[in-house]
Amino acid sequence: DTAVSQTPKYLVTQMGNDKSIKCEQNLGHDTMYWYKQDSKKFLKIMFSYNNKELIINETVPNRFSPKSPDKAHLNLHINSLELGDSAVYFCASRSPAQETQYFGPGTRLLVL
Amino acid sequence: AQSVTQLDSQVPVFEEAPVELRCNYSSSVSVYLFWYVQYPNQGLQLLLKYLSGSTLVKGINGFEAEFNKSQTSFHLRKPSVHISDTAEYFCAVKGWHSSASKIIFGSGTRLSIRP
Repeated sequence: DTAVSQTPKYLVTQMGNDKSIKCEQNLGHDTMYWYKQDSKKFLKIMFSYNNKELIINETVPNRFSPKSPDKAHLNLHINSLELGDSAVYFCASRSPAQETQYFGPGTRLLVL
Repeated sequence: AQSVTQLDSQVPVFEEAPVELRCNYSSSVSVYLFWYVQYPNQGLQLLLKYLSGSTLVKGINGFEAEFNKSQTSFHLRKPSVHISDTAEYFCAVKGWHSSASKIIFGSGTRLSIRP
């Protein structure tokens, strides 16, 4: 039973394309996140949703649009992909009682 | 606002030797502190956390960390490392007041174990 799952695991695409990454958690948590990890392993928060409501929106290009159809899902849509978007994108969910974030396995995006 | 500094980007250690990974934080409010581990090609997982109480915190895989408020540090230690401990380790901080639940991660320390 995977707690936080992401699809796809790998994504190779051309500049200018539009792509989506999906995330699902079966932990019953209200809060979910998207992080971007660059080639130097630096981890930066992008967005956070609490019970389908956007609560954190960092300085991210508006080509990135998160969508939360329900509290178990948080998807990330990226328009007009650029070379600099190449990174590993992690989804996470948070247990407020434990103050712990649970991460998905990551989606490795390569923009050519 | 909070910030985290991991002083060492890479730490090479021989197998069965002790290791310490350093972490310092900055915050104007009380904080929660975390260490997460990322094994190659995987997501992050929680190693240990300090929320309150005893300043010495024990985590999984034999790791422990000590919260030192006066030195604003939360260094991670293990008395004897194994090859399987090879991974990237991230220190993280969250302010008590942060209702938005935002965690700030350090830049990571790569622990490489030599046989």
